[in-house]
Amino acid sequence: QMQLVESGGGVVQPGKSLRLSCAASGLTLRWSGMHWVRQAPGKGLEWVAVISYDESDKYYAHSVKGRFTISRDNSKDTLYLQMNSLKVEDTGVYYCAKSYSGTVDYFDSWGQGTLVTVSS
Amino acid sequence: SYEVTQPLSVSVALGQTARITCGGNNIGSKNVHWYQQKPGQAPVVVIYRGDYRPSGIPERFSGSNSGNAATLTISRAQAGDEADYYCQVWDSDATFYVFGTGTKVTVL
Repeated sequence: QMQLVESGGGVVQPGKSLRLSCAASGLTLRWSGMHWVRQAPGKGLEWVAVISYDESDKYYAHSVKGRFTISRDNSKDTLYLQMNSLKVEDTGVYYCAKSYSGTVDYFDSWGQGTLVTVSS
Repeated sequence: SYEVTQPLSVSVALGQTARITCGGNNIGSKNVHWYQQKPGQAPVVVIYRGDYRPSGIPERFSGSNSGNAATLTISRAQAGDEADYYCQVWDSDATFYVFGTGTKVTVL
Protein backbone atom coordinates (compact mmCIF):
# COMPACT_ATOMS: atom_id res chain seq x y z
CA GLN A 1 0.00 0.00 0.00
CA MET A 2 1.50 3.29 -1.11
CA GLN A 3 1.27 5.98 1.51
CA LEU A 4 2.90 8.97 3.12
CA VAL A 5 2.87 9.11 6.89
CA GLU A 6 3.49 12.33 8.80
CA SER A 7 4.61 12.45 12.42
CA GLY A 8 5.99 14.90 14.95
CA GLY A 9 2.95 17.07 15.55
CA GLY A 10 1.86 18.11 19.01
CA VAL A 11 1.24 21.00 21.34
CA VAL A 12 4.00 23.58 21.66
CA GLN A 13 4.33 27.04 23.18
CA PRO A 14 4.81 30.13 21.04
CA GLY A 15 8.45 30.74 20.23
CA LYS A 16 9.38 27.08 20.52
CA SER A 17 10.40 24.61 17.82
CA LEU A 18 9.01 21.42 16.33
CA ARG A 19 10.22 19.04 13.65
CA LEU A 20 7.80 17.19 11.41
CA SER A 21 8.64 14.06 9.44
CA CYS A 22 6.98 12.45 6.45
CA ALA A 23 7.92 8.87 5.67
CA ALA A 24 7.07 7.03 2.48
CA SER A 25 5.80 3.48 2.48
CA GLY A 26 5.32 1.47 -0.69
CA LEU A 27 6.67 4.27 -2.87
CA THR A 28 9.89 6.18 -3.22
CA LEU A 29 10.27 9.93 -2.85
CA ARG A 30 13.78 10.19 -4.14
CA TRP A 31 12.90 11.39 -7.64
CA SER A 32 10.03 13.68 -6.66
CA GLY A 33 9.63 17.22 -5.53
CA MET A 34 8.02 17.23 -2.10
CA HIS A 35 5.77 19.80 -0.46
CA TRP A 36 4.31 20.75 2.88
CA VAL A 37 0.78 22.11 2.97
CA ARG A 38 -1.10 23.20 6.08
CA GLN A 39 -4.68 23.83 7.03
CA ALA A 40 -5.73 25.92 10.01
CA PRO A 41 -8.82 24.67 11.85
CA GLY A 42 -11.90 25.30 9.72
CA LYS A 43 -9.86 27.10 7.07
CA GLY A 44 -8.55 26.42 3.59
CA LEU A 45 -5.33 24.91 2.31
CA GLU A 46 -2.11 26.92 2.52
CA TRP A 47 1.02 25.84 0.69
CA VAL A 48 4.06 26.03 2.99
CA ALA A 49 7.22 24.87 1.24
CA VAL A 50 8.72 22.76 -1.54
CA ILE A 51 12.02 20.95 -2.02
CA SER A 52 13.35 19.52 -5.26
CA TYR A 53 14.39 15.89 -5.48
CA ASP A 54 18.08 16.74 -5.09
CA GLU A 55 17.58 19.60 -2.58
CA SER A 56 18.93 22.11 -5.09
CA ASP A 57 15.74 24.17 -4.94
CA LYS A 58 13.78 25.14 -1.86
CA TYR A 59 10.95 27.66 -1.80
CA TYR A 60 8.81 28.93 1.05
CA ALA A 61 5.57 30.79 1.62
CA HIS A 62 6.09 34.34 2.84
CA SER A 63 4.40 33.46 6.14
CA VAL A 64 7.08 30.93 7.11
CA LYS A 65 10.21 32.10 5.31
CA GLY A 66 13.11 32.49 7.70
CA ARG A 67 11.43 30.37 10.39
CA PHE A 68 10.78 27.02 8.68
CA THR A 69 13.30 24.80 6.90
CA ILE A 70 12.39 21.97 4.55
CA SER A 71 14.83 19.10 4.04
CA ARG A 72 14.89 15.49 2.99
CA ASP A 73 16.84 12.26 3.36
CA ASN A 74 16.42 10.26 0.18
CA SER A 75 18.23 7.26 1.66
CA LYS A 76 15.36 7.04 4.16
CA ASP A 77 12.61 8.21 1.79
CA THR A 78 11.77 10.83 4.38
CA LEU A 79 10.85 14.51 4.23
CA TYR A 80 11.24 16.96 7.11
CA LEU A 81 9.99 20.35 8.19
CA GLN A 82 11.90 22.13 10.92
CA MET A 83 9.67 24.78 12.43
CA ASN A 84 11.27 27.44 14.63
CA SER A 85 9.90 30.52 16.36
CA LEU A 86 6.41 29.10 16.17
CA LYS A 87 3.43 31.42 16.30
CA VAL A 88 -0.18 30.82 17.29
CA GLU A 89 -1.14 31.30 13.65
CA ASP A 90 1.01 28.28 12.69
CA THR A 91 -1.60 26.04 14.30
CA GLY A 92 -3.16 23.52 11.95
CA VAL A 93 -2.91 20.17 10.24
CA TYR A 94 0.29 19.78 8.27
CA TYR A 95 0.25 17.56 5.20
CA CYS A 96 3.17 16.36 3.15
CA ALA A 97 2.47 15.91 -0.54
CA LYS A 98 4.36 14.42 -3.45
CA SER A 99 4.69 16.18 -6.76
CA TYR A 100 3.79 13.92 -9.68
CA SER A 101 6.66 15.04 -11.88
CA GLY A 102 9.55 17.34 -11.13
CA THR A 103 9.43 19.99 -8.45
CA VAL A 104 6.30 21.78 -9.55
CA ASP A 105 3.40 19.65 -10.66
CA TYR A 106 0.13 18.48 -9.22
CA PHE A 107 0.19 16.55 -5.96
CA ASP A 108 -0.57 12.91 -6.62
CA SER A 109 -0.08 11.62 -3.06
CA TRP A 110 -0.84 13.18 0.29
CA GLY A 111 -0.26 12.06 3.83
CA GLN A 112 -3.07 11.92 6.36
CA GLY A 113 -1.74 14.98 8.17
CA THR A 114 -0.30 15.73 11.60
CA LEU A 115 -1.79 18.33 13.94
CA VAL A 116 0.37 21.14 15.27
CA THR A 117 -1.08 23.29 18.03
CA VAL A 118 0.79 26.41 19.12
CA SER A 119 -0.62 27.67 22.37
CA SER A 120 0.55 29.08 25.66
CA SER B 1 1.93 37.94 -5.47
CA TYR B 2 -0.54 36.05 -7.63
CA GLU B 3 -4.09 35.81 -6.33
CA VAL B 4 -6.93 33.49 -7.25
CA THR B 5 -10.57 33.79 -6.29
CA GLN B 6 -13.21 31.12 -5.83
CA PRO B 7 -16.86 31.37 -4.81
CA LEU B 8 -17.42 30.47 -1.18
CA SER B 9 -20.16 27.98 -1.97
CA VAL B 10 -22.01 26.35 -4.84
CA SER B 11 -25.28 24.45 -4.56
CA VAL B 12 -26.45 21.97 -7.16
CA ALA B 13 -29.50 19.78 -7.45
CA LEU B 14 -28.95 16.05 -7.51
CA GLY B 15 -28.18 14.96 -11.06
CA GLN B 16 -27.54 18.48 -12.31
CA THR B 17 -24.31 20.29 -13.23
CA ALA B 18 -22.13 22.32 -10.87
CA ARG B 19 -19.49 24.74 -12.09
CA ILE B 20 -16.77 26.14 -9.84
CA THR B 21 -14.62 28.98 -11.10
CA CYS B 22 -11.09 29.95 -10.18
CA GLY B 23 -10.33 33.48 -11.28
CA GLY B 24 -6.89 34.98 -11.73
CA ASN B 25 -5.03 37.35 -14.01
CA ASN B 26 -4.25 35.47 -17.24
CA ILE B 27 -4.77 32.17 -15.43
CA GLY B 28 -5.30 30.55 -18.82
CA SER B 29 -1.53 30.64 -19.32
CA LYS B 30 -0.90 28.66 -16.16
CA ASN B 31 -1.33 25.06 -15.10
CA VAL B 32 -4.32 24.78 -12.78
CA HIS B 33 -5.03 21.78 -10.61
CA TRP B 34 -8.20 20.98 -8.69
CA TYR B 35 -8.50 19.07 -5.41
CA GLN B 36 -11.47 17.61 -3.62
CA GLN B 37 -11.39 17.48 0.17
CA LYS B 38 -14.00 15.74 2.28
CA PRO B 39 -14.27 16.35 6.05
CA GLY B 40 -11.44 14.78 8.01
CA GLN B 41 -9.63 13.62 4.90
CA ALA B 42 -6.61 14.71 2.91
CA PRO B 43 -7.23 16.38 -0.45
CA VAL B 44 -7.40 14.32 -3.63
CA VAL B 45 -6.65 15.64 -7.11
CA VAL B 46 -9.64 15.47 -9.43
CA ILE B 47 -8.32 17.53 -12.37
CA TYR B 48 -4.72 18.39 -13.16
CA ARG B 49 -3.04 20.73 -15.65
CA GLY B 50 -6.32 22.33 -16.53
CA ASP B 51 -8.30 19.52 -18.06
CA TYR B 52 -6.70 16.14 -17.34
CA ARG B 53 -8.48 13.63 -15.15
CA PRO B 54 -6.52 11.12 -13.03
CA SER B 55 -7.41 7.47 -13.26
CA GLY B 56 -10.14 6.58 -10.83
CA ILE B 57 -11.84 9.96 -11.04
CA PRO B 58 -15.28 9.75 -12.67
CA GLU B 59 -15.74 11.21 -16.14
CA ARG B 60 -18.36 13.47 -14.57
CA PHE B 61 -15.46 15.70 -13.48
CA SER B 62 -13.99 17.93 -16.14
CA GLY B 63 -11.92 21.09 -16.31
CA SER B 64 -11.24 24.00 -18.58
CA ASN B 65 -8.93 26.99 -18.42
CA SER B 66 -8.93 30.10 -20.56
CA GLY B 67 -8.40 33.81 -20.19
CA ASN B 68 -8.88 34.87 -16.59
CA ALA B 69 -10.83 31.87 -15.34
CA ALA B 70 -10.40 28.15 -14.83
CA THR B 71 -13.51 26.06 -14.31
CA LEU B 72 -14.19 22.73 -12.65
CA THR B 73 -17.41 21.14 -13.87
CA ILE B 74 -19.20 18.36 -12.05
CA SER B 75 -21.87 16.78 -14.25
CA ARG B 76 -24.73 14.63 -12.96
CA ALA B 77 -23.86 15.61 -9.40
CA GLN B 78 -24.16 12.94 -6.73
CA ALA B 79 -24.44 13.15 -2.97
CA GLY B 80 -20.89 11.81 -2.72
CA ASP B 81 -19.58 14.88 -4.55
CA GLU B 82 -20.31 17.08 -1.54
CA ALA B 83 -16.92 18.41 -0.49
CA ASP B 84 -14.64 21.42 -0.51
CA TYR B 85 -12.89 22.04 -3.81
CA TYR B 86 -9.65 23.98 -4.19
CA CYS B 87 -7.86 25.24 -7.25
CA GLN B 88 -4.07 25.44 -7.20
CA VAL B 89 -1.72 27.51 -9.33
CA TRP B 90 2.07 27.86 -9.38
CA ASP B 91 3.18 31.49 -9.24
CA SER B 92 6.42 31.25 -11.19
CA ASP B 93 7.33 34.89 -10.56
CA ALA B 94 7.19 34.53 -6.81
CA THR B 95 8.14 30.84 -6.84
CA PHE B 96 5.38 29.56 -4.65
CA TYR B 97 2.08 27.75 -4.96
CA VAL B 98 -1.25 29.46 -4.47
CA PHE B 99 -4.41 27.71 -3.40
CA GLY B 100 -7.80 29.20 -3.96
CA THR B 101 -9.91 29.92 -0.90
CA GLY B 102 -11.99 26.83 -1.52
CA THR B 103 -15.58 26.25 -2.62
CA LYS B 104 -18.03 24.20 -0.61
CA VAL B 105 -20.26 22.17 -2.92
CA THR B 106 -23.66 21.17 -1.58
CA VAL B 107 -25.83 18.67 -3.45
CA LEU B 108 -29.51 19.35 -2.81
